Amino acid sequence: DAGITQSPRYKITETGRQVTLMCHQTWSHSYMFWYRQDLGHGLRLIYYSAAADITDKGEVPDGYVVSRSKTENFPLTLESATRSQTSVYFCASSESDGAYEQYFGPGTRLTVT
Amino acid sequence: QKEVEQNSGPLSVPEGAIASLNCTYSDRGSQSFFWYRQYSGKSPELIMFIYSNGDKEDGRFTAQLNKASQYVSLLIRDSQPSDSATYLCALHTGRRALTFGSGTRLQVQP
Repeated sequence: DAGITQSPRYKITETGRQVTLMCHQTWSHSYMFWYRQDLGHGLRLIYYSAAADITDKGEVPDGYVVSRSKTENFPLTLESATRSQTSVYFCASSESDGAYEQYFGPGTRLTVT
Repeated sequence: QKEVEQNSGPLSVPEGAIASLNCTYSDRGSQSFFWYRQYSGKSPELIMFIYSNGDKEDGRFTAQLNKASQYVSLLIRDSQPSDSATYLCALHTGRRALTFGSGTRLQVQP
């Protein structure tokens, strides 16, 4: 039972490059979420998705793009990475709108130089 | 005012003692409340959720909710060094996602 996985686990990239972080879940959860975690800010929501082809912005969406063509995958793309996007990124999933408990992937530590 | 407030800590308790972690929130429409534990360098792990006023117990953990006073707390009985972690309070306000506090770091001294 793999649950929710993220790849890569660690990534170093340069300013201006495009980077895609992958998230895959095996539970067939409807909802998926992307958060970033920075010291002093806690977890902040970037984007979420209620189902395949349905996505919506969270608290800090600028500079990020998401897609969800399949229920199990929810990739996050940084179109042109900036140093301020250096962070730990967590993907999470939730069974349904009514359940609300979210389960987190292991995270991706991204460094933009 | 932040939507979810937690004391950053560290909260230091001796092994075997009760650790009390508190969280206050500003949105009276908040419907459900969660406690996550996060070890250093790891992802958040759900340990408790509570929807109704009062207490909810699960093993050594008790979540307490008081909607009138807008606070939720987590008690950890018989604290162990392995409980040393950051505890995140999160709540659902009717939007689709959770809102998280910044967390309280707990240190259990052997």
